[in-house]
Amino acid sequence: EDKVVQSPLSLVVHEGDTVTLNCSYEVTNFRSLLWYKQEKKAPTFLFMLTSSGIEKKSGRLSSILDKKELFSILNITATQTGDSAVYLCAVSHDGGSQGNLIFGKGTKLSVKP
Amino acid sequence: DTGVSQNPRHKITKRGQNVTFRCDPISEHNRLYWYRQTLGQGPEFLTYFQNEAQLEKSRLLSDRFSAERPKGSFSTLEIQRTEQGDSAMYLCASSYRDNSPLHFGNGTRLTVT
Repeated sequence: EDKVVQSPLSLVVHEGDTVTLNCSYEVTNFRSLLWYKQEKKAPTFLFMLTSSGIEKKSGRLSSILDKKELFSILNITATQTGDSAVYLCAVSHDGGSQGNLIFGKGTKLSVKP
Repeated sequence: DTGVSQNPRHKITKRGQNVTFRCDPISEHNRLYWYRQTLGQGPEFLTYFQNEAQLEKSRLLSDRFSAERPKGSFSTLEIQRTEQGDSAMYLCASSYRDNSPLHFGNGTRLTVT
């Protein structure tokens, strides 16, 4: 069965800390891995990864994919209280439609002042 | 605001009633998706449209659920004879082309009493 597993499920840090969120997957015919940030409402898109070893970066956030070991990490440096959210990892695959993303349960990040 | 728009934002209904939700995708996106999210879980895929054609439905989508996308523009999701287990956040998303990121709306939160 296709699955996406995120760890940890929750994390509490202080402002300025660096955090690493993990996502492992088992899917048939992998296409891409996506990271989303969800603050109470709509998940907002962060990164889409299709190739191994190529880091994607946006400000203090970065992500990388390892297709051999079937995992991805999302790093956040110098965390701020505004980073508090649930971070969702999702994988698309050829077994379903292009939009049939398989999501993990998310990592709930709380950043304390 | 040219993002994905969903209405209503909240819906409280009694068990056995029918409800209908609406989604207006980003205008140049021809792919539209419905997902359902319950507390502590990632979104689960329900169904997918390319233009007006419904191309895939999840096993989660019982025969009480029906979705339409007339003329390939907005979409509606109807739930007939609602049950308490239908209580969830219903998320709509759209994308521009194959394997491009999904952009989500703020969702409709359904509570069945």
